[in-house]
Amino acid sequence: KAGVTQTPRYLIKTRGQQVTLSCSPISGHRSVSWYQQTPGQGLQFLFEYFSETQRNKGNFPGRFSGRQFSNSRSEMNVSTLELGDSALYLCASSPITGFPYEQYFGPGTRLTVT
Amino acid sequence: SQQGEEDPQALSIQEGENATMNCSYKTSINNLQWYRQNSGRGLVHLILIRSNEREKHSGRLRVTLDTSKKSSSLLITASRAADTASYFCAIGGPQGAQKLVFGQGTRLTINP
Repeated sequence: KAGVTQTPRYLIKTRGQQVTLSCSPISGHRSVSWYQQTPGQGLQFLFEYFSETQRNKGNFPGRFSGRQFSNSRSEMNVSTLELGDSALYLCASSPITGFPYEQYFGPGTRLTVT
Repeated sequence: SQQGEEDPQALSIQEGENATMNCSYKTSINNLQWYRQNSGRGLVHLILIRSNEREKHSGRLRVTLDTSKKSSSLLITASRAADTASYFCAIGGPQGAQKLVFGQGTRLTINP
């Protein structure tokens, strides 16, 4: 099976702009989670989508949003970018059977905000 | 907070030696998972251990869990240069919650 794919891999944006990141999960995986990784805060959970619904949410401002499509592909959007949003954004998919679930991560999108 | 705290933050050993990393947490857990990350890339799942398990093995990896001490350890035996990476413990969520709460990680360097 192909792994989790994320596009784009690298992105440079300017403060105030918005950005959309994309994630394609492993075939058959219906849960998609997003994480932000920064040197200062480490790996932090953003949100999780399952069956096109946000099922869990981390402690991030409303500028961070996401959605999931019927084919389980997911996008996350960050509006009004701030310098502190510079980070590696990781997407992970997991099956919904066989709890507890391990997560399969994509290579990440490196976002730089200038 | 459920966040795992890892110790040491950095570890440098010679190839062939064993490496041990520790993770402590504060509240009861359902499961604990270990992941590896190479140079700012995606994370790779290593081992998942349930709260009712005490030890699990996978190849050169051994994970222990002591729920009375709220701690876990990851042992890598006969280390190789390719094991150089950051290692994270993560507290797994309850059923229906895919959220992982990660520790800050241990940076492992294997010297040839």
